[in-house]
Amino acid sequence: NAGVTQTPKFQVLKTGQSMTLQCAQDMNHNSMYWYRQDPGMGLRLIYYSASEGTTDKGEVPNGYNVSRLNKREFSLRLESAAPSQTSVYFCASSEQAGSEKLFFGSGTQLSVL
Amino acid sequence: QKEVEQNSGPLSVPEGAIASLNCTYSDRGSQSFFWYRQYSGKSPELIMFIYSNGDKEDGRFTAQLNKASQYVSLLIRDSQPSDSATYLCALASESNYQLIWGAGTKLIIKP
Repeated sequence: NAGVTQTPKFQVLKTGQSMTLQCAQDMNHNSMYWYRQDPGMGLRLIYYSASEGTTDKGEVPNGYNVSRLNKREFSLRLESAAPSQTSVYFCASSEQAGSEKLFFGSGTQLSVL
Repeated sequence: QKEVEQNSGPLSVPEGAIASLNCTYSDRGSQSFFWYRQYSGKSPELIMFIYSNGDKEDGRFTAQLNKASQYVSLLIRDSQPSDSATYLCALASESNYQLIWGAGTKLIIKP
């Protein structure tokens, strides 16, 4: 049982480049999330999808877009990367929005030069 | 003022002792409280959640909630080196199920 699979694990971008982070879960969860984690700060929610077909902004959505491709997959796109987007990104899923148990992917270490 | 405050540590505790981790919060509307453990270079995993005032025990872990004083604690009894990790406090309000996270406390258990 893979759980939440997130790719890539590491990525280096130049300022202005674009990329998409991929996330897939095989637990039949309804809700999916994208977080970023920076040193000295808590996890911050970028976007979430409470259910298939819906997406909503979180605390720090600027510079990002998301797509809930189907129930399993939720991607995060950086259209024009900036050094401020250097961070560790986590995808997570839960049975439903408001569920206390989030299942996290292994994370993506992104550096923007 | 941050919504969720945790001492960043590191908190160093001898093996076999009780580790006490604390978290304070500002939103009195907070209803649900969670403790996640994060090993270095890994993703967070849920270890405890608590909704009501008082204590909740699960094995070596006890979560304590005091809504009047706006703090939640995690006690780890008989601490083991494998408990060395960063512990993240998170909470959710009734009106907004988006979790609000603390920055975490790094715990080191010394053999």
